Amino acid sequence: QVQLQESGPGLVKPSETLSLTCTVSGGSISSYYWSWIRQPPGKGLEWIGFIFYTGSTSYNPSLKSRVTISVDTYNNQFSLKLSSVTAADTAVYYCARHPSATGAKFDPWGQGTLVTVSS
Amino acid sequence: DIQMTQSPSSLSASVGDRVTITCRASQSISSSLNWYQQKPGKAPNLLIYSASSLQSGVPSRFTGGGSGTDFTLTISSLQPEDFATYYCQQSYSIPHTFGQGTRLDIK
Repeated sequence: QVQLQESGPGLVKPSETLSLTCTVSGGSISSYYWSWIRQPPGKGLEWIGFIFYTGSTSYNPSLKSRVTISVDTYNNQFSLKLSSVTAADTAVYYCARHPSATGAKFDPWGQGTLVTVSS
Repeated sequence: DIQMTQSPSSLSASVGDRVTITCRASQSISSSLNWYQQKPGKAPNLLIYSASSLQSGVPSRFTGGGSGTDFTLTISSLQPEDFATYYCQQSYSIPHTFGQGTRLDIK
């Protein structure tokens, strides 16, 4: 079955850019939507944005000015960049698949990766 | 943005109990409501989609209901593995938004 795995630095300095990659295995990245979702320690879930395999994107307005999501269909990966990070961006970052833009049910999810913003 | 409000925020129950968690949307979302279970240190796991459809592999003791603005997740007979945090999520409009979570503890 499809599995997702996040990767990237676990520590980012304030004002710098957070960069993460989600690698999809066991299936093709084509024909699905792929989202990034984050969870600050001890808190709830926040949807960051999604990308369709064609490259079309949608972002949470609360983060839109700082977020870029891109896709690499050749390597079955998609990536997140979040610029100008602060301590408030410290969170576990998850990637997840969904079959549609609206009506989105997130399944499966990656295991998550903790990113800490600190100098 | 559509705001999702869960109640209660926490709940204590015993094995075998029947429990119900409620999720309310700030505007009508038809049946575009999903439920997830999250255990400590793990990613959320989809339980129910489209308000009442059971995700493949999820035990039948989990049922979802509701439409419009008010939704429920019911666990008919709690099992030890069900003690976790539960989140609702609206998929009616972007941005997708989640409830704040309901933590279900062992009494």
